[in-house]
Amino acid sequence: DIQMTQSPSSLSASVGDRVTITCRASRSISSYLHWYQQKPGKAPKLLIYTSSNLQSGVPSRFSGSGSGTDFTLTISSLQPEDFATYYCQQSYSIPRTFGRGTKVEIK
Amino acid sequence: EVQLLESGGGLVQTGGSLRLSCAASGFTYYMYAMSWVRQAPGKGLELVSSISAVGDRTFYADSVMGRFTVSRDRSKSTLSLQMNSLRVEDTAIYYCVKDSRDSFSDIRGKFDSWGQGTLVTVSS
Repeated sequence: DIQMTQSPSSLSASVGDRVTITCRASRSISSYLHWYQQKPGKAPKLLIYTSSNLQSGVPSRFSGSGSGTDFTLTISSLQPEDFATYYCQQSYSIPRTFGRGTKVEIK
Repeated sequence: EVQLLESGGGLVQTGGSLRLSCAASGFTYYMYAMSWVRQAPGKGLELVSSISAVGDRTFYADSVMGRFTVSRDRSKSTLSLQMNSLRVEDTAIYYCVKDSRDSFSDIRGKFDSWGQGTLVTVSS
């Protein structure tokens, strides 16, 4: 199975900050990396697919990049509604695997 | 609007069984693969099982292989997960998830819609 490693596991940031979360795959997954946002008590929601494509309705302050083994999710200016846990997930091979998540907390 | 509504969760003792159901609406159900993803309390996401759009192929995580069975009913637009020989470590919220493709092994596939989840608690 492909292992997905996210860093950091948690971070504290202020509204307006630029936030970057990284995800590393244990082997190359091309660009088949997706990001999900999960708010407390809610189901995950698809945020970015295939590394850099914004899902419909997702604000443009979110962006993704990367290919091969290293990927990044960036929030350009953190908003109060962005405090959540973010997961990466690969679809390059079965089983599809998730990272352990990055919790973005209020500083 | 895609809607996925899970039901069937509850409290069960070790070794018991439960059947989860998911009622799908708002999309052409038979065209998309479906999956169950679970989340143990305070933990991350784990893919449990997937089924292709036509129901001819299935996937199971090693942790549930031989104990869980996934199925789908095209006529009723429902997805089911029969869970037998339940263990304490199966305790989790179980999410019904729609794929963006007809095959769960399509590398372009992504989990584009999620239900609200149903809680399964297994006690010893």
